[in-house]
Amino acid sequence: RKEVEQDPGPFNVPEGATVAFNCTYSNSASQSFFWYRQDCRKEPKLLMSVYSSGNEDGRFTAQLNRASQYISLLIRDSKLSDSATYLCVVNAGGTSYGKLTFGQGTILTVHP
Amino acid sequence: EPEVTQTPSHQVTQMGQEVILRCVPISNHLYFYWYRQILGQKVEFLVSFYNNEISEKSEIFDDQFSVERPDGSNFTLKIRSTKLEDSAMYFCASRATGWVRYEQYFGPGTRLTVT
Repeated sequence: RKEVEQDPGPFNVPEGATVAFNCTYSNSASQSFFWYRQDCRKEPKLLMSVYSSGNEDGRFTAQLNRASQYISLLIRDSKLSDSATYLCVVNAGGTSYGKLTFGQGTILTVHP
Repeated sequence: EPEVTQTPSHQVTQMGQEVILRCVPISNHLYFYWYRQILGQKVEFLVSFYNNEISEKSEIFDDQFSVERPDGSNFTLKIRSTKLEDSAMYFCASRATGWVRYEQYFGPGTRLTVT
């Protein structure tokens, strides 16, 4: 099983649509979880951390289910500028000094 | 807003040559990292660095690689004898100490092309 596995995508949605991404992770000792976005040939940019209770930042909502080792990201009212690759990222915690493990990413294209 | 910077943005080198990639982490951050991303593949961890020493490294980070913090601001990655398969985007990242949930901030990357 891959350490971090995401929906293969790609997702192609119209402006204003709601889109959801799913992710699973294999290391049950993982302590911190994130969604990053990456534009073509650019660096990963932190979109949001994912908290156990779920959290929301504007149009973005992240959920974590530790029992199922599952993370999700919901984007409401999609904008053209949301087009990017969304990366599910996990930190194993403990003595790992913050090493991040990335999923392969899911490509989102929002069209007019 | 503070940001991580990296130089050069693009480096072309011949196989067998040494390269040094440079990074300036965010000023109050104390944990530093290098990651790489081969074109079309996922981002992979190379090494973490804290308190002037390597705290963790991946299998990719073999004897050809080294890291250094030569002064109070720079953090470098050296590849001693580059191979074709070292061609990739190299990202530096940094994070603060304390309860910040391991949030790491990435620099814009150096694209390394080995010919």
